[in-house]
Amino acid sequence: EPEVTQTPSHQVTQMGQEVILRCVPISNHLYFYWYRQILGQKVEFLVSFYNNEISEKSEIFDDQFSVERPDGSNFTLKIRSTKLEDSAMYFCASSPGQGNTGELFFGEGSRLTVL
Amino acid sequence: DAKTTQPPSMDCAEGRAANLPCNHSTISGNEYVYWYRQIHSQGPQYIIHGLKNNETNEMASLIITEDRKSSTLILPHATLRDTAVYYCIVAYKTRNKLVFGAGTILRVKS
Repeated sequence: EPEVTQTPSHQVTQMGQEVILRCVPISNHLYFYWYRQILGQKVEFLVSFYNNEISEKSEIFDDQFSVERPDGSNFTLKIRSTKLEDSAMYFCASSPGQGNTGELFFGEGSRLTVL
Repeated sequence: DAKTTQPPSMDCAEGRAANLPCNHSTISGNEYVYWYRQIHSQGPQYIIHGLKNNETNEMASLIITEDRKSSTLILPHATLRDTAVYYCIVAYKTRNKLVFGAGTILRVKS
């Protein structure tokens, strides 16, 4: 069964460092998402991406965050200068296409620890 | 997006049906009801969705009341592996984002 894969599974970084989290969505999907979950809290929407541009972003997704689909298969989330409060599990998701965007397929997550 | 209300936790005996309720009294006519679950900090997993009619798939059944103000997710024969947080989400089908609440922690006990 096709699945969304994420790397790394766990990354530890120092505050102020740049981090790139990588995702390979399911191959024929058209919509891509990043969510995050701080330990013990709700799953929070960060950004959605369609047709090579951001279609929606939350207040959390400020100028420190960026997304890219550099080569038609990978979908990346970059955090330019990490803060302690960026420590969380980051989930990538994808969905098939127009009219079916409520069914999201999530990866297993990348745990980011900022020290 | 309409808000949902779910009980914080429920217990269920292994092999019995688990019935998870959700209230969504402000749902609008074109909003769907989606159910996801999250097993121990893994990525959320889609379970089922519906608009008006009851739906069934290999994982669960979804019963939506006639006035659409509430719904129930039914796991017909719960197993220990069904222990998870279950999220009821109301959203337009073309909406790009899902808003997760606190969900219901379902504990299946042997």
